[in-house]
Amino acid sequence: DTGVSQNPRHKITKRGQNVTFRCDPISEHNRLYWYRQTLGQGPEFLTYFQNEAQLEKSRLLSDRFSAERPKGSFSTLEIQRTEQGDSAMYLCASSLDAWGTGEAFFGQGTRLTVV
Amino acid sequence: TQLLEQSPQFLSIQEGENLTVYCNSSSVFSSLQWYRQEPGEGPVLLVTVVTGGEVKKLKRLTFQFGDARKDSSLHITAAQPGDTGLYLCAGGSAGNMLTFGGGTRLMVKP
Repeated sequence: DTGVSQNPRHKITKRGQNVTFRCDPISEHNRLYWYRQTLGQGPEFLTYFQNEAQLEKSRLLSDRFSAERPKGSFSTLEIQRTEQGDSAMYLCASSLDAWGTGEAFFGQGTRLTVV
Repeated sequence: TQLLEQSPQFLSIQEGENLTVYCNSSSVFSSLQWYRQEPGEGPVLLVTVVTGGEVKKLKRLTFQFGDARKDSSLHITAAQPGDTGLYLCAGGSAGNMLTFGGGTRLMVKP
């Protein structure tokens, strides 16, 4: 296992299109997080899962954003009807919930550009 | 809402100089992590501190967690151009949700 994997690394889409990103966490990690990062800012929390349960989704930016983790392994983040303001780096991270320290390991991110 | 403020936001120094980056909050965190991020990449974990007053050293980097677990500092000795990057602090809370600061962008000139 080489760490958290995100696909695609880059995505360019036209405004109004739907996009879906995939995250494969470190295999023994139960918790999976999605963050958004805009240029020059720190990552902004979106949502997280413990196994297949989505425990926090109130921070998702709008109802155009949704995330799933159907089997408690990989996760997808979908943005419907994309807008130019959605252009950002979308980061996925995973952690071992048993540690209780909040330590998370990040993937390389998916950079979304909406034109 | 828990907030973390980092200072300075930008720092440009010459190779060989020392520097300190600060991470402050009005909230108590169960743990605090420091990450380093390079352009176009995800953040890479440097260290986790969990005990108030804890000090950890990683080669030329020294991390300290405040006694009240509300603040932290990162000190780099004899900075090198390879230290250039965005340094992020993140506080862990109940539920393991990490709250990030805005980052300190460091540039070390040869």
